[in-house]
Amino acid sequence: GESVGLHLPTLSVQEGDNSIINCAYSNSASDYFIWYKQESGKGPQFIIDIRSNMDKRQGQRVTVLLNKTVKHLSLQIAATQPGDSAVYFCAEKITGNTGKLIFGQGTTLQVKP
Amino acid sequence: EAQVTQNPRYLITVTGKKLTVTCSQNMNHEYMSWYRQDPGLGLRQIYYSMNVEVTDKGDVPEGYKVSRKEKRNFPLILESPSPNQTSLYFCASSNRGRRGDEKLFFGSGTQLSVL
Repeated sequence: GESVGLHLPTLSVQEGDNSIINCAYSNSASDYFIWYKQESGKGPQFIIDIRSNMDKRQGQRVTVLLNKTVKHLSLQIAATQPGDSAVYFCAEKITGNTGKLIFGQGTTLQVKP
Repeated sequence: EAQVTQNPRYLITVTGKKLTVTCSQNMNHEYMSWYRQDPGLGLRQIYYSMNVEVTDKGDVPEGYKVSRKEKRNFPLILESPSPNQTSLYFCASSNRGRRGDEKLFFGSGTQLSVL
């Protein structure tokens, strides 16, 4: 069935450390994955995306890793800053679908100064 | 500035009083969608639209209506709101027709309370 889950509801890290947020998805037919950041009182903002024909993609301070064998997605944030504190969502899109993204429930990242 | 604009930002109403939440995007996107966000349930799709005059139900459409008369606008209508529709609502749009450009852009949200 459609299910996207994040492993931990809350992750607490020290400022300057690297953060890793994990996500498990259930549908092998998913061909596109995306990470969003949602700050308090705001809508989700795009961070980075990856297609199923890739296993790694890098952005500015962020890296997304995709392991299709175990249906696992992760978001790595380098040198975490206080401004990174937010809720992070992963989402998947199933091949041939209407374009609908299926969202996980989110992991809250807390950055300690 | 490319954006999705929702109004109002906050809305308190009473059971049964019809309301409309407006959504507009200035990116010429074909695809638009409404989500509701509830604690412990994440983002759930209410309705979506693939293009003008084309709308379809998402996962939780009961109690909602939408229309897509123009490409830029996608209002969400609650004909007879009930307390279980108290939620945070997001409108989103994307250029889903183009491979490699499928990310959703979200509005800032509408916090609705139905008393």
